[in-house]
Amino acid sequence: GEDVEQSLFLSVREGDSSVINCTYTDSSSTYLYWYKQEPGAGLQLLTYIFSNMDMKQDQRLTVLLNKKDKHLSLRIADTQTGDSAIYFCAESMRGGYNKLIFGAGTRLAVHP
Amino acid sequence: DTEVTQTPKHLVMGMTNKKSLKCEQHMGHRAMYWYKQKAKKPPELMFVYSYEKLSINESVPSRFSPECPNSSLLNLHLHALQPEDSALYLCASSQRANPEAFFGQGTRLTVV
Repeated sequence: GEDVEQSLFLSVREGDSSVINCTYTDSSSTYLYWYKQEPGAGLQLLTYIFSNMDMKQDQRLTVLLNKKDKHLSLRIADTQTGDSAIYFCAESMRGGYNKLIFGAGTRLAVHP
Repeated sequence: DTEVTQTPKHLVMGMTNKKSLKCEQHMGHRAMYWYKQKAKKPPELMFVYSYEKLSINESVPSRFSPECPNSSLLNLHLHALQPEDSALYLCASSQRANPEAFFGQGTRLTVV
């Protein structure tokens, strides 16, 4: 079955690193994603990782994938107030469509 | 250009009204999607169009009627909605077999 779980809330100090965690249950997932949603806005694709990779880095963002434990994490270095948002982990299945299954979202609050 | 444009941004409609949501992209993507996002919940897939043909309908009630008149446009026709249909409706697009799915800013629908 398809299920994606995330912790609901994370609070960090500006300048620190943030780590948002996600677990998924479907081992046939092809790609795993991180999306950002600011209040009242749509979803912004931050990064994604193919299921046969274990790490991907893109500027301040580092994605780690532990396929054995079905655990995905997003690390944001030097977190800024503009990073405050909801972060959704999502998975998609093999096939031609990006049918995304989202986790509940983690609200990241960055304080001075 | 990774833009998906949705109109209108906000819509208030009565339960007897007929209205339409519109989505447009000019990235040459041949897969387009409608997602529904209730308050404080993750997005959930409603429909997938591939090459202008409906490929996936996630058991959505018939009061929601999608249409894909050409490869750049996606509509969602609304009729006889209920207050519980109030939500943020998100459009997305992707190239088939490409993992990147891009979302619009959404239409916030309120049914009164």
